[in-house]
Amino acid sequence: QQQVKQSPQSLIVQKGGISIINCAYENTAFDYFPWYQQFPGKGPALLIAIRPDVSEKKEGRFTISFNKSAKQFSLHIMDSQPGDSATYFCAASGGSSNTGKLIFGQGTTLQVKP
Amino acid sequence: DAGVTQSPTHLIKTRGQHVTLRCSPISGHKSVSWYQQVLGQGPQFIFQYYEKEERGRGNFPDRFSARQFPNYSSELNVNALLLGDSALYLCASSGQVDEQYFGPGTRLTVT
Repeated sequence: QQQVKQSPQSLIVQKGGISIINCAYENTAFDYFPWYQQFPGKGPALLIAIRPDVSEKKEGRFTISFNKSAKQFSLHIMDSQPGDSATYFCAASGGSSNTGKLIFGQGTTLQVKP
Repeated sequence: DAGVTQSPTHLIKTRGQHVTLRCSPISGHKSVSWYQQVLGQGPQFIFQYYEKEERGRGNFPDRFSARQFPNYSSELNVNALLLGDSALYLCASSGQVDEQYFGPGTRLTVT
């Protein structure tokens, strides 16, 4: 119940295309869903986050879509650029047993081809 | 403003040794969390501290311990190192419980 499942494991997109990464969770107590971007040798950087009271949140080229009934959320990267090539992690937290504890997906390696 | 800082950047230790990793949170943040990231996997939660009190502990053995100081910096200690402890150790700071900002990590290699 504590897992966050992320797909695909890897993704190749052409420059200018849309990158879509999906995550699914089981614990209905989760109430915070962030996405992180990680470059090799660096720590994860917070990209965008959403709470279950909204179905979509957009910041620049990055959009989170959230489906509470399906317990799924996704990251859309519009107009993907070679500089977006990195590993992306979804995460979730919330509930009395998970105070402050982020549970991460396995990660998606994105390659944007010029 | 300075982000989360961690030291050292890299560390090589031998099996059975002890290691101490250090973290300074973003100014004004009172909470620090520690995560272990094995190559090719997502970070795994180890501890969270808020106002010097432990608020959460992940599924790690008692060889792992941590503490937070009055200036909100933190140390992660690992005793009796095993080869499997080789990983990137990440510190995250938060002003509010949910939003966590990660440092660059400490790469620990156990030989």
